[in-house]
Amino acid sequence: DIQMTQSPSSLSASVGDRVTITCRASQSISSRLSWYQQKPGKAPHLLIYAASSLQSGVPSRFSGSGSGTDFALTINSLQPEDFATYYCQQSYTTPLTFGGGTKLEIK
Amino acid sequence: QVQLQESGPGLVKPSETLSLTCTVSGGSVNSGAYYWSWIRQPPGKGLEWIGYIYYTGSPNYNPSLKSRITISIDTSRNQFSLNLRSVTAADTAVYYCAREQIYSSGGSYHDFWGQGTLVTASS
Repeated sequence: DIQMTQSPSSLSASVGDRVTITCRASQSISSRLSWYQQKPGKAPHLLIYAASSLQSGVPSRFSGSGSGTDFALTINSLQPEDFATYYCQQSYTTPLTFGGGTKLEIK
Repeated sequence: QVQLQESGPGLVKPSETLSLTCTVSGGSVNSGAYYWSWIRQPPGKGLEWIGYIYYTGSPNYNPSLKSRITISIDTSRNQFSLNLRSVTAADTAVYYCAREQIYSSGGSYHDFWGQGTLVTASS
């Protein structure tokens, strides 16, 4: 199985900050990576697919980058509604695997 | 707008079978553009892909669960289902169904999700 390692596991930031979450794959996954946001008690919500493509309806302050084994999700100018847990997921091969999550908290 | 809704018992006894159904509205499961997936999340933990099924009925399972699961599809009812046999407390989780969009370069992503249903394995 391809292991997905996210860092940090938790992060404190303030409204208006710029934050970056990283995700590393245990082998190359090309650009077959997506990012999800999950709020407590809710299903995950797709933000980014194909490493850098913004899902329709997602604010442009979210962006994704990377290919191969190293990826990043950047949120510019954090808004109150952005405090949540973020997961990366590879679709290069099955079993599909997710990162362990990054919990973004208000400082 | 595509919507997915999980249904099934919230409590299953250990050693018995967990059975869930996902009903899709606003779109058809009878499409070659998607896989139809099950994903679970134990309380307070991360996400685990269980498997998916294609509209042809061809499944793909997580090897960690393969010996215990069956995913099926009913295109006439626009539903797909999960059976997980011989459950233990470790199978207690929120179970999500999701649509997995396949894109041109061979990858995929989950663009629509059900709200999730908590299934507890307990006597």
